[in-house]
Amino acid sequence: EAGVVQSPRYKIIEKKQPVAFWCNPISGHNTLYWYRQNLGQGPELLIRYENEEAVDDSQLPKDRFSAERLKGVDSTLKIQPAELGDSAVYLCASSSPLKTQYFGPGTRLLVL
Amino acid sequence: GQNIDQPTEMTATEGAIVQINCTYQTSGFNGLFWYQQHAGEAPTFLSYNVLDGLEEKGRFSSFLSRSKGYSYLLLKELQMKDSASYLCAVRENSGNTPLVFGKGTRLSVIA
Repeated sequence: EAGVVQSPRYKIIEKKQPVAFWCNPISGHNTLYWYRQNLGQGPELLIRYENEEAVDDSQLPKDRFSAERLKGVDSTLKIQPAELGDSAVYLCASSSPLKTQYFGPGTRLLVL
Repeated sequence: GQNIDQPTEMTATEGAIVQINCTYQTSGFNGLFWYQQHAGEAPTFLSYNVLDGLEEKGRFSSFLSRSKGYSYLLLKELQMKDSASYLCAVRENSGNTPLVFGKGTRLSVIA
């Protein structure tokens, strides 16, 4: 069974540029999470989807971040415009009801 | 508020046993998870405790005391490949609520 797939694995952009990350969860997992992990820290939730509905986005900086999961399967996370402080690893995770979360490899973003 | 504490770094010798502690103060509790994360890689699931006591899985064991807000991860017969960060995480509510993570403990296994 394939795990959570994310792309790209690495991204380097200049500040004020837009950037997008893509995630394909494990097949059959209804719940999808986007986390951000700064160096030396644990992951912090940005947004959680149940199927196509965003049910927990209180930690998402909505002035510059947006996310979608239109068909309830894969998801994209966008930052526009990016700031220096957005440099981090963006992790996608998925789970089936009441089960363990499984993480993708992450996208390592560097904003210059 | 949420507070999950674990040591920042630990060093142990190959073949030895190491215990990584985690204390938590959260608004709710519906399970405690341990993940392993190698540098530059995704967290991978190690263990899950929701009831008090010890869960054993091969060389790894995890313990939970809900009354004390305390857990530990025990790694036996350490191998060099066990060098990684170990993340303690709490699920506060039922359902598919997101995990609240500690900052992780970076374990170095030396010869």
